[in-house]
Amino acid sequence: DAGVIQSPRHEVTEMGQEVTLRCKPISGHDYLFWYRQTMMRGLELLIYFNNNVPIDDSGMPEDRFSAKMPNASFSTLKIQPSEPRDSAVYFCASSPSWSTGNQPQHFGDGTRLSIL
Amino acid sequence: DAKTTQPPSMDCAEGRAANLPCNHSTISGNEYVYWYRQIHSQGPQYIIHGLKNNETNEMASLIITEDRKSSTLILPHATLRDTAVYYCIVTLNNAGNMLTFGGGTRLMVKP
Repeated sequence: DAGVIQSPRHEVTEMGQEVTLRCKPISGHDYLFWYRQTMMRGLELLIYFNNNVPIDDSGMPEDRFSAKMPNASFSTLKIQPSEPRDSAVYFCASSPSWSTGNQPQHFGDGTRLSIL
Repeated sequence: DAKTTQPPSMDCAEGRAANLPCNHSTISGNEYVYWYRQIHSQGPQYIIHGLKNNETNEMASLIITEDRKSSTLILPHATLRDTAVYYCIVTLNNAGNMLTFGGGTRLMVKP
């Protein structure tokens, strides 16, 4: 049973470049979440989707960040242009609908992003 | 979501029970207590959750006080692989409700 798959695992790029992070949720899960983790701020929710529709993007730091979910098996988080302060570990998580009972979020192993 | 308070760090001897406390005095009647852990360089991992009753699964036990203002996560026989940061989160039991992670408790299991 494959878990949440994120790519790339590591990304190093120069300031000003576009960065695209990818996530494949667990098959059958209706919810998808993007989090960011830094030493200073800990784990923060950026945005989440239900049935491919963005529900709450209040955690997205600014317009340079955008997220899409074109279908049930794929989501992207894009940063354009990137800045050094965007350096962090970005996690994707998914969960099934609440109607199925116990529905914890399942996390991927993250993308470690470094902006030089 | 109700705020939670956890000790920043704890030590436990390998093979002994690890008891991790969490205070959530402002919890509301329909909010659940969830526990996750994060092992270094990995994503958070779900452990257990509960509403009022004590819960047990293959990983841990969750003890919730009668007034629901605090809870304890119990790892019955801690191993070195249980060394991680443990997060106590209070949230509605709805997949769409976001998880708000605090600082957690850094558990160090020592040989």
